[in-house]
Amino acid sequence: GAVVSQHPSRVICKSGTSVKIECRSLDFQATTMFWYRQFPKQSLMLMATSNEGSKATYEQGVEKDKFLINHASLTLSTLTVTSAHPEDSSFYICSAKGPATGDTQYFGPGTRLTVL
Amino acid sequence: GQQLNQSPQSMFIQEGEDVSMNCTSSSIFNTWLWYKQDPGEGPVLLIALYKAGELTSNGRLTAQFGITRKDSFLNISASIPSDVGIYFCAGRYNNNDMRFGAGTRLTVKP
Repeated sequence: GAVVSQHPSRVICKSGTSVKIECRSLDFQATTMFWYRQFPKQSLMLMATSNEGSKATYEQGVEKDKFLINHASLTLSTLTVTSAHPEDSSFYICSAKGPATGDTQYFGPGTRLTVL
Repeated sequence: GQQLNQSPQSMFIQEGEDVSMNCTSSSIFNTWLWYKQDPGEGPVLLIALYKAGELTSNGRLTAQFGITRKDSFLNISASIPSDVGIYFCAGRYNNNDMRFGAGTRLTVKP
């Protein structure tokens, strides 16, 4: 149990375009979802926390207008990178937790974004 | 914010050897967690620790929550090739605020 999926697994886009990444909890209700980004050979950096039905809470230094997060249902959260630039290229990972998982977050497999 | 120092950064060991890695923090945490990440994948939870002094095992893995609540270690006994990957410690202060260490990259030579 406690499986989280992400789609797409990798995406390449042109500079200036927007990209949407989906995060789904497949077998539990995710009341809270988290979005991280990870640069090569570095650790995971929390970008934002979203509770179902509420606005996301962004970490300091993360532009909320650039990284749009929607958590409209108990099984789906989306991250939209707007007007992407090459420096947005990174590995984006979501995690989720809910009543069935307690305080434990379960991570998705990640999405590799490359902006040309 | 809380800073986590994880060491070593990388380890190259022979199959069958034991491995030890640790994390220290300048602040206390209420929970310590250890994750493993394979290339191109998300982290997978290995062990979660909830009480100071707690020692928990998961197969060949053993982790401890330091008495001061500012540190934790992970030991892997009798390493095998599939142990290769990056191991991250994570400390959680409240329900949502989890911070990750920089990771320990483990290479196991057969």
